[in-house]
This record gives sequence, C-alpha cells and structure tokens, in this order.
Amino acid sequence: EAGVAQSPRYKIIEKRQSVAFWCNPISGHATLYWYQQILGQGPKLLIQFQNNGVVDDSQLPKDRFSAERLKGVDSTLKIQPAKLEDSAVYLCASSPDRGVGQFFGPGTRLTVL
Amino acid sequence: SQQGEEDPQALSIQEGENATMNCSYKTSINNLQWYRQNSGRGLVHLILIRSNEREKHSGRLRVTLDTSKKSSSLLITASRAADTASYFCATVPSGGYQKVTFGTGTKLQVIP
Repeated sequence: EAGVAQSPRYKIIEKRQSVAFWCNPISGHATLYWYQQILGQGPKLLIQFQNNGVVDDSQLPKDRFSAERLKGVDSTLKIQPAKLEDSAVYLCASSPDRGVGQFFGPGTRLTVL
Repeated sequence: SQQGEEDPQALSIQEGENATMNCSYKTSINNLQWYRQNSGRGLVHLILIRSNEREKHSGRLRVTLDTSKKSSSLLITASRAADTASYFCATVPSGGYQKVTFGTGTKLQVIP
C-alpha cells in the first residue's frame, strides 16, 4: 500500500513570496490533516478535512494560509505572503476516519529567508 | 494549544535498558495515541489506547492509561539504537468533534 506522498520535500523562499505544498493521501482515507511542526515542538494542526469538507481550521492563519482538498483526494496548502516565522516542516497525514491513528507523509521543510 | 505534555523532555539510556516516558493531559479523552518521529522524517503511529482500556502491548511497547490521573506512559523494553527518536502522545477528546492534539514530545537517545 502506497503511503502519504508530499511534495516538494524542501523549499527555500524569500519573505513575502508565496509557496504551495501538495499532498496525496492513502487511497480511501476520508480524513486529511495538515500540520505545522516548528523545530523542537510537536505538530500543530492547521486544518483537517473530512472528505472534501473542512472540519477544523481554527489554528490556520487565514490571512495568509489557505488549503483545499479537491474531490476529497489530493490537497494543497498555500502560504501567501510568507513570513520568517513560517519556517517549519509542514506535515500531511491521512486516516481512514476521524479520531484514529494517522499515517504521515515525509513532510516539506520550508525555510523563509 | 498542546494538551499533552510529555515527561521527560529528553532521555538517554544504554542499549538493552528499558525506556519509560509519560504523557499528561487535561481534558477527557476518547483515545490516546503514541507516535515516533525519527530525525528529519514524518511521524509513525505506534499504538492507540481507548479510554476504557488500561494497558496495551505491541511487540516491545507497553502503554498504560490512567484516566483518573489523566496520564499515560509508554514503556519500550530492551531498547535498541534504532529506537532513538522523538516520541509524541496525541489525545482525541471525548464527545463532539474529534480533534487530535499532539504533545511536546520526549527525545530518546539509545546509546549502543
């Protein structure tokens, strides 16, 4: 069974530029999550989708971050414009349903200069 | 906000020893999950324990849950160098929307 795919693996941008991350979850998984993980901390949930609907985006900085999950499968997370404090690893995860164990992708390491 | 708080923040042991790490949380839970994260990689789900369970085993892993104390512990027996990683607990609250919240993690180093 293929795991959660993410791209790119690494991205370096200047502040005020925009960036987009892509995630392909495990086939059939209804729930998709985007996390931000700052070095030395635990993952912080940014947004959770159930199929193609948003279940929780309470910690998503909506003035600069946006996410969508088209047709309930792939998802993209965008930052526009980026700030220095957005430097982190962005993790995508999926699970068969809410509240059960998640499968994580390798993450995208973002550096904002 | 991070509900789970792991203790200790860092742990260094010799290969073959047992490693115990703890997680405390604040609100009632539906279940609690443990994850491992090797350096520079994504997280791997280890084990899930439900609120009505007190102990669960998976290979060299043993997880206990004490809902009266709102705490859980993860025991890794006969540790190996490959167990070197950060370990996170994640809680799923009871009732309503089941949002997973991760703790701050315990960094385990197993010395060969």
